[in-house]
Amino acid sequence: EIVLTQSPGTLSLSPGERATLSCRASQSVSSNYLAWYQQKPGQAPRLLTYGASSRATGIPDRFSGSGSGTDFTLTISRLESEDFAVYHCQQYGSSPPTFGQGTKVEIK
Amino acid sequence: EVQLVESGGGLVKPGGSLRLSCAASGFTFSNAWMSWVRQAPGRGLEWVGRIKSKTDGGTTDHAAPVKGRFTISRDDSKNTLYLQMNSLKTEDTAVYYCTTEGIYYGFDVWGQGTMVTVSS
Repeated sequence: EIVLTQSPGTLSLSPGERATLSCRASQSVSSNYLAWYQQKPGQAPRLLTYGASSRATGIPDRFSGSGSGTDFTLTISRLESEDFAVYHCQQYGSSPPTFGQGTKVEIK
Repeated sequence: EVQLVESGGGLVKPGGSLRLSCAASGFTFSNAWMSWVRQAPGRGLEWVGRIKSKTDGGTTDHAAPVKGRFTISRDDSKNTLYLQMNSLKTEDTAVYYCTTEGIYYGFDVWGQGTMVTVSS
């Protein structure tokens, strides 16, 4: 199965700053089927981006996904207060689908 | 409104059984591939298994840690997904989410989750 490694584990930033989250796969992700999810405490994950770079319905354009092959990035251009959360990457191009361990974006 | 609502979680002893349900509304459930994903306390997300739509064969796949103990099924007449969990272990303690699984879109709709605690 494909192992996804997210970095950093925790990102401490201030509102208005840019956040860059990394997700590296142990082998190439088929068709770049890589998704990013946001999860707040006590809530279910929410799909942000899929297919490496497509935004899900209703997701603000400050969220952007990029990358291909084994290296992927989620960028939040200017952090707003509601963006402080845990972010998970997931590959769904090969079975079993697998998730990274998560990156927590916290207020500095 | 597209919605998934899980139920059936609770406290169970090791070796026991539990059946989770997931009621779907707001979309054509019979056409959807459905998955279960779990999250142990303070941990990341772990895929448990999936069931395809009947038009795509209706087959199931289960993750290695639960294979032979958990069974996913669906009742399209009731718009409901199930997870039958047998021979439960303490390491199965987690919040269990049901999700829709799109071939292109990933896991795009999630329920609120139901907590399963396996403890003596």
